[in-house]
Amino acid sequence: SQKIEQNSEALNIQEGKTATLTCNYTNYSPAYLQWYRQDPGRGPVFLLLIRENEKEKRKERLKVTFDTTLKQSLFHITASQPADSATYLCAPGNTPLVFGKGTRLSVIA
Amino acid sequence: DSGVTQTPKHLITATGQRVTLRCSPRSGDLSVYWYQQSLDQGLQFLIQYYNGEERAKGNILERFSAQQFPDLHSELNLSSLELGDSALYFCASSELAGTYNEQFFGPGTRLTVL
Repeated sequence: SQKIEQNSEALNIQEGKTATLTCNYTNYSPAYLQWYRQDPGRGPVFLLLIRENEKEKRKERLKVTFDTTLKQSLFHITASQPADSATYLCAPGNTPLVFGKGTRLSVIA
Repeated sequence: DSGVTQTPKHLITATGQRVTLRCSPRSGDLSVYWYQQSLDQGLQFLIQYYNGEERAKGNILERFSAQQFPDLHSELNLSSLELGDSALYFCASSELAGTYNEQFFGPGTRLTVL
């Protein structure tokens, strides 16, 4: 069955550093992958979608890579800020969309 | 604000009862998705409707059912409630049916079963 693993449940980094979150998936080959941000008690918010023919995608301080050979996506937040603290969910595209359990990022001032 | 509304915000009920959660999608979105999120399970897909028709089904229990009405709002019915059904229930909407579309999530309904 499809399996999604996000690198760790929690990640703590210092303000100004680059946060790198990992999403690994097995047993399927999605044509695209989405990343969402979720704050406690709130609904997820879409951040980025990357397609299988795009190796990298950027949006402001966010960068996503998608390696279909490794079955892995990396999500980077550069110059991180305390306001970036949240849980980040990956969702390798399929029907229906399946979400990873997320990585809780804490950016410490 | 995503434009997706969900009511009620909180619901407290007893085991064995039945409840209905309501969702109004963003204006123009034809697809509605329901998810359940509990602490240990993460965000679990339940069911998707597109323009009134069931489009995809996840691990939705037989005690749960949903429908999408002609005005595109959707309701999720949960019956014979058990303690384990306590969770956050999210509705999301997207313009089209394919899951490559960005999904807009509502604020959720927190269900507590006592």
